[in-house]
Amino acid sequence: DTAVSQTPKYLVTQMGNDKSIKCEQNLGHDTMYWYKQDSKKFLKIMFSYNNKELIINETVPNRFSPKSPDKAHLNLHINSLELGDSAVYFCASRGRVGEKLFFGSGTQLSVL
Amino acid sequence: GESVGLHLPTLSVQEGDNSIINCAYSNSASDYFIWYKQESGKGPQFIIDIRSNMDKRQGQRVTVLLNKTVKHLSLQIAATQPGDSAVYFCAENGSGGYQKVTFGIGTKLQVIP
Repeated sequence: DTAVSQTPKYLVTQMGNDKSIKCEQNLGHDTMYWYKQDSKKFLKIMFSYNNKELIINETVPNRFSPKSPDKAHLNLHINSLELGDSAVYFCASRGRVGEKLFFGSGTQLSVL
Repeated sequence: GESVGLHLPTLSVQEGDNSIINCAYSNSASDYFIWYKQESGKGPQFIIDIRSNMDKRQGQRVTVLLNKTVKHLSLQIAATQPGDSAVYFCAENGSGGYQKVTFGIGTKLQVIP
C-alpha cells in the first residue's frame, strides 16, 4: 500500500488552463506539504497544512490554492497556468515536528 | 530560495569506494537534519537523520556527521554500489515547534562500475 499517493503522475496542459493535483496519505499524519522541484532538482516548499489548517504559505503566486478537506488529503489547484509552472510537484506528510517527511512519487506538470 | 544561477553538483565515485556528500545549512537554530535519496522519476526517500544533540549517527553503510560550529553536514556511504546512484539532499528543520523543512540544493552521485 502506498503511504503518500498523488495523482496524476503526469499532467500536460495548455497555458491559461486550470488544473488540480490530488494527494492522500494513509499514515495517520497530521501535517502535509506541497513542494515544487524545478529542472535543476531544487526542492522548494510551497505550503503546509496541519490538521486542515494552513501553517506555511511561502511566496507563491495566488494562482496556487491548496485545499485540505481532511487531514489525510491535501490538494493543489492551479489557475491560469503559465510556462514557468512546469515542474515536478511533490506532496509529503509527517506525523510530528522532528520526524522525517514521507514523499509521494511526484506529479510532472508540463505547461505548453 | 530559488535555483536561478545554481547548478546541481556531481560526485563521481568508483564502485566499491567510499562516498562523501557535503551539505552546508543556513539556520543555526535548526535542531533536526535529514538526508534523502532521490532516484530518477521517484520522490525523495529517507536515508538517515540526526538531531542537534549528536554529532554522528550510523546506519547500514551510511554515516551522518554534524558540525554545528560551521553548520555543516556530511553523508558518508561505505562501499558505494551502482544502486547508490541518485541525487542526495540534506534537509533542516527549524527548532521550537516549527514545521518548515528546508532542502539543500542536492548532489548527484554517479557510481562508475
